[in-house]
Amino acid sequence: SQELEQSPQSLIVQEGKNLTINCTSSKTLYGLYWYKQKYGEGLIFLMMLQKGGEEKSHEKITAKLDEKKQQSSLHITASQPSHAGIYLCGAFHSGTYKYIFGTGTRLKVLA
Amino acid sequence: EPEVTQTPSHQVTQMGQEVILRCVPISNHLYFYWYRQILGQKVEFLVSFYNNEISEKSEIFDDQFSVERPDGSNFTLKIRSTKLEDSAMYFCASRRGLAEQNIQYFGAGTRLSVL
Repeated sequence: SQELEQSPQSLIVQEGKNLTINCTSSKTLYGLYWYKQKYGEGLIFLMMLQKGGEEKSHEKITAKLDEKKQQSSLHITASQPSHAGIYLCGAFHSGTYKYIFGTGTRLKVLA
Repeated sequence: EPEVTQTPSHQVTQMGQEVILRCVPISNHLYFYWYRQILGQKVEFLVSFYNNEISEKSEIFDDQFSVERPDGSNFTLKIRSTKLEDSAMYFCASRRGLAEQNIQYFGAGTRLSVL
């Protein structure tokens, strides 16, 4: 079955630093979604990538989907405490209605 | 911006009791989902629902679970006889269509505590 692995599992950075979170799929992705979750709260949609090589930005967050469509990276520039939370990648399981999430990356930004 | 709403935000129940978690999906969406997240663990798919029937369910979604769209707006998850291990955050989501560009929107979740 298809799996999404994220790395790192957790990250602590100083405010102002850049960081990258990776999401790797065991199968080709036909759409990759990034969400942010504050601890114990709901999921907030950040970005969706569909095409190999696609890159999207929203404020200081940029996400890319590699050409082979099996890995995505989320990059935060000049991190702020408001970026803290759990970042999740998600995708529809190939050929099904089932949606799977990555293992999550917990980000803490120190002021 | 349209949103998925879930009620209640927190539900406390005794083991063995039935609970119904409620969701109001975005009005023009056609596909509906329930997910579960046990504290500190992954968000897990439970079930997807389209055209008044279940289109897919996970191994977690056993006979104690059921879903229903009783009217044109609500989408409910019923747990017949709750167990301690059902304690989790339950998220509802909805989507306009199946095309990849149709984003799945999530509610803020219902925290279920089974005592």
